[in-house]
Amino acid sequence: GAVVSQHPSWVICKSGTSVKIECRSLDFQATTMFWYRQFPKQSLMLMATSNEGSKATYEQGVEKDKFLINHASLTLSTLTVTSAHPEDSSFYICSARGGLGLERGETQYFGPGTRLLVL
Amino acid sequence: KQEVTQIPAALSVPEGENLVLNCSFTDSAIYNLQWFRQDPGKGLTSLLLIQSSQREQTSGRLNASLDKSSGRSTLYIAASQPGDSATYLCAARLWTDSWGKLQFGAGTQVVVTP
Repeated sequence: GAVVSQHPSWVICKSGTSVKIECRSLDFQATTMFWYRQFPKQSLMLMATSNEGSKATYEQGVEKDKFLINHASLTLSTLTVTSAHPEDSSFYICSARGGLGLERGETQYFGPGTRLLVL
Repeated sequence: KQEVTQIPAALSVPEGENLVLNCSFTDSAIYNLQWFRQDPGKGLTSLLLIQSSQREQTSGRLNASLDKSSGRSTLYIAASQPGDSATYLCAARLWTDSWGKLQFGAGTQVVVTP
């Protein structure tokens, strides 16, 4: 199956600092990438959808100035948590999907997740 | 807005029993429905994807059915093994969403005891 990687897998930071998480599709071109957040024992909450070369579309209640998303290429999207606070501590998961008509266009492939702990 | 519900929230069975996991959705205009497995602290692994035109999909011991008219999908896992212990999530994609956003259920946590 398709492989999506995330880096880092773990990050601990001080309150007020910014943290960047990378999401890469390793063996296919991802025209669309999604960022999710997951709290313990809860399901995934979609934060935003990004298409390569376009601004991300954020879900209601997600602060776009707080969670900066850049989908700079067909294989890379980044999520930057700016001025992180303890309540931002969570498990962040990205997923990638190819475009319509392309191989693997129907299935979302998920990264292994990044656990963020803000002290 | 599409709402996806999974019942039960948790399930414990002895090894060898068949597992039946339920997923219901409110909007029948789904494009496809996908079942995932998530191990603790890990990302999601796609198990089965059922297109709206299909009624079921099978992969090894796994079988997923889809009934759009009743708004239900069921994941069957035959002859469960301790390695099947995980949280199982279903997710629906609507025809109206061209970007392919998925609406997830809260998941069913499965424990298979030896």
